[in-house]
Amino acid sequence: DAGITQSPRYKITETGRQVTLMCHQTWSHSYMFWYRQDLGHGLRLIYYSAAADITDKGEVPDGYVVSRSKTENFPLTLESATRSQTSVYFCASTPSGGYNEQFFGPGTRLTVL
Amino acid sequence: KNQVEQSPQSLIILEGKNCTLQCNYTVSPFSNLRWYKQDTGRGPVSLTIMTFSENTKSNGRYTATLDADTKQSSLHITASQLSDSASYICVVSGPGQAGTALIFGKGTTLSVSS
Repeated sequence: DAGITQSPRYKITETGRQVTLMCHQTWSHSYMFWYRQDLGHGLRLIYYSAAADITDKGEVPDGYVVSRSKTENFPLTLESATRSQTSVYFCASTPSGGYNEQFFGPGTRLTVL
Repeated sequence: KNQVEQSPQSLIILEGKNCTLQCNYTVSPFSNLRWYKQDTGRGPVSLTIMTFSENTKSNGRYTATLDADTKQSSLHITASQLSDSASYICVVSGPGQAGTALIFGKGTTLSVSS
């Protein structure tokens, strides 16, 4: 199906483990984003990518790594998960241009024990 | 500091009633303002996007207004339905490219009861 998908939808891991969250979009949008959503906070930008092989930090990048070798995929890796990274993670995409709507994926709920 | 404040934090209304959600922002310079609807367990979905020059924008039973002078926006929901139960998020964009300068409010949780 066309759209933006995330996997897994739910993940439980332990402190110190590496975990990768996947994001895939079928629209060939140039820009992709990773956000985290926590109670008491609005969505906060972790990393974004303007095109394949171009990534940049957002508001809360510490402890996260991203890559974008193909336009349609934008994985987010927690190299050594911490409890503070327990959150709901959303991937989003948009065509180039600041006015365009961002389209969000369904989210991944990550629990770090 | 660039901020987006939403009120009320939560709201309960009866099905069929109208309601208005508020958004005040201090983002400057301002590019555009967006309202998103987020159902429980899902990602946000855009309702409206307004630029500096737009005062009102409608999407079905949803009407957003913007006063760029006072830096206030409101989202009015007419004849509410049970499916309107969700979190409504106000998002203000600064001058960054492709939404990289988005400032998100914490949202208003709306519950519509029968």
